[in-house]
This record gives sequence, C-alpha cells and structure tokens, in this order.
Amino acid sequence: NAGVTQTPKFQVLKTGQSMTLQCAQDMNHEYMSWYRQDPGMGLRLIHYSVGAGITDQGEVPNGYNVSRSTTEDFPLRLLSAAPSQTSVYFCASSSVGPFSIQVDTQYFGPGTRLTVL
Amino acid sequence: DAKTTQPPSMDCAEGRAANLPCNHSTISGNEYVYWYRQIHSQGPQYIIHGLKNNETNEMASLIITEDRKSSTLILPHATLRDTAVYYCIVRVAFNNNDMRFGAGTRLTVKP
Repeated sequence: NAGVTQTPKFQVLKTGQSMTLQCAQDMNHEYMSWYRQDPGMGLRLIHYSVGAGITDQGEVPNGYNVSRSTTEDFPLRLLSAAPSQTSVYFCASSSVGPFSIQVDTQYFGPGTRLTVL
Repeated sequence: DAKTTQPPSMDCAEGRAANLPCNHSTISGNEYVYWYRQIHSQGPQYIIHGLKNNETNEMASLIITEDRKSSTLILPHATLRDTAVYYCIVRVAFNNNDMRFGAGTRLTVKP
C-alpha cells in the first residue's frame, strides 16, 4: 500500500491564483481530512469528510473548498490564494469502524509546502 | 485550543529512556490519550493511545495516572532517529474532528 499520497510536494502561487492540492489513499478509509501547519505551531483542521459525498468544516475552513466524489480522493481547493495561506498542508485518513479501537489512528501524508507571494 | 499541556522542549541521551510528560487535567471520562510525533516536518506519525490502563507497543509505553489527569510517554531506549516533536492529544474515540494539536514537545536525542 502507498498509504496517503499528496501532490505536489512544493508549490509557489501568486496572490489571487487558484489551485488544487491532491490527496489520495489506498487503504479504503472512510474518513479523510486536511490540516494546515504554520511555523512553530501544531496542526489545525481545515475540512474533513466521513465518506464519499459528505464533507464538513473544521477549525479554519475559510478560503478553502473540498469535495469527496470517491473514497480514495479528497482534493483541497484554494479559490483565491492569499499570503496568509502560506503553510504546510497535510492530508490524513483513518477508518471509522467501531469494531476495533485498534484501528483508531490517523495516517498522514508527507505534506505540501505552499508559498503564496 | 489544545486540551493538553506539554513542556516545549526536552533533551535525552542516546540509549537512555525518554520520558515525555503531558497534563490533561480536564479530560472527560470517554476521552482517550493519544500520542503522535512529527519528525522534521514530515506528516505526524501515530505512536500509541490509551484510556486508563497503561499501554505498551513496539514503539513506546504510555503511563496514565489513576486520576487520568496526566500521562507519560516513555521511549525506552531513545535513538537519534527519535528526535522529533511529540504531540499529546485527548479526544473521544473515533472523533477525528477533535484532534487538537498543540505545540508539542520538541525532543532532542543527543549522542
């Protein structure tokens, strides 16, 4: 299994540009989420999805859109990039099955480092 | 805001046990204690979690006090590759929306 993959690894945008950060997982996980991490800080939840066709907002959703058309993919769209969105973005996935507490862990991707000029 | 308090940094000698403390005095009865670590800006990695009993796996041990208001993550024989930021998180099981990452503890393992 490749686990959670993210593309691109690095991206530089100009203010006002739009782009999509890609995230995919091959573990058949129902739950997927996007976090951002600013320098010296912990991760903050942007959006999440508990299954295909279902998304909801996290702690810092403004300026971002998501969709979940398949179980495997959960893209994050920046509609009009701003310098405040310069950050490292992590995608994560997990199983939400209640059948075993042992599967209750999140798997994180390697991150996308985004700079908005 | 994170529901936990951790020291910002700690050092440990290579080969010795690293004991990372975490205070979670407002923990609820149905909340678990989770530990993740982040090595050099990679994605966070799950280490261990527990409810009230002590837990051990191949990576670490988790000691939770009887009143559950604090816990300690123990890396029994720290190596240089254990240098990372360690996050202590409390949340209800399977409630991934409540993963509140604070600033964590930056552990530096020294030769």
